[in-house]
Amino acid sequence: DTEVTQTPKHLVMGMTNKKSLKCEQHMGHRAMYWYKQKAKKPPELMFVYSYEKLSINESVPSRFSPECPNSSLLNLHLHALQPEDSALYLCASSQGLSRAPRTSGLFFGSGTQLSVL
Amino acid sequence: QQQVKQSPQSLIVQKGGISIINCAYENTAFDYFPWYQQFPGKGPALLIAIRPDVSEKKEGRFTISFNKSAKQFSLHIMDSQPGDSATYFCAASPGKAAGNKLTFGGGTRVLVKP
Repeated sequence: DTEVTQTPKHLVMGMTNKKSLKCEQHMGHRAMYWYKQKAKKPPELMFVYSYEKLSINESVPSRFSPECPNSSLLNLHLHALQPEDSALYLCASSQGLSRAPRTSGLFFGSGTQLSVL
Repeated sequence: QQQVKQSPQSLIVQKGGISIINCAYENTAFDYFPWYQQFPGKGPALLIAIRPDVSEKKEGRFTISFNKSAKQFSLHIMDSQPGDSATYFCAASPGKAAGNKLTFGGGTRVLVKP
């Protein structure tokens, strides 16, 4: 299994809602990532987890809260988002920070297209 | 400040032609240079990657050329096919000391006309 699975594929939420994005991989990867991608732009790194511990937070607003319950799962909890947060949210995984994404690269999921009304 | 500059922003090529995408970087600490391909509605997928100790790497119809002194690298897609129509991102990584963070170029939308 070489897939990173993200759910849901599409999400529409109001600014007062609380929702969660989910990501799962079964490749034995020990690093997992959240990226945000606006239309016609490159992915922007948000968070990196290494061995289930938060390793990098790219100064992301607290209305985005990541969680890594185990080595296969990664969640992104959303609360009080703004319309400008509408974007494609991508999860990715790699073997580990010490070797990848340099050796095997990042494996991306298909993303969750989020619309904030 | 954008650390990896990619050009052109878009490219139209006839089937069978050559697509060429260029990237330039400034940070001399970068030592890993991958290319990602992204289709609409999908996440990026690793296409091919190169390290600065190699000047060229070829995988099938895809070739990376690397010029360390000029701090430039490029992707050539030979015999371009309509199925190659996608957005291509170059990227660079500074290595383990910086957590292997990838810096992406701005992307190139490639359209291959039949």
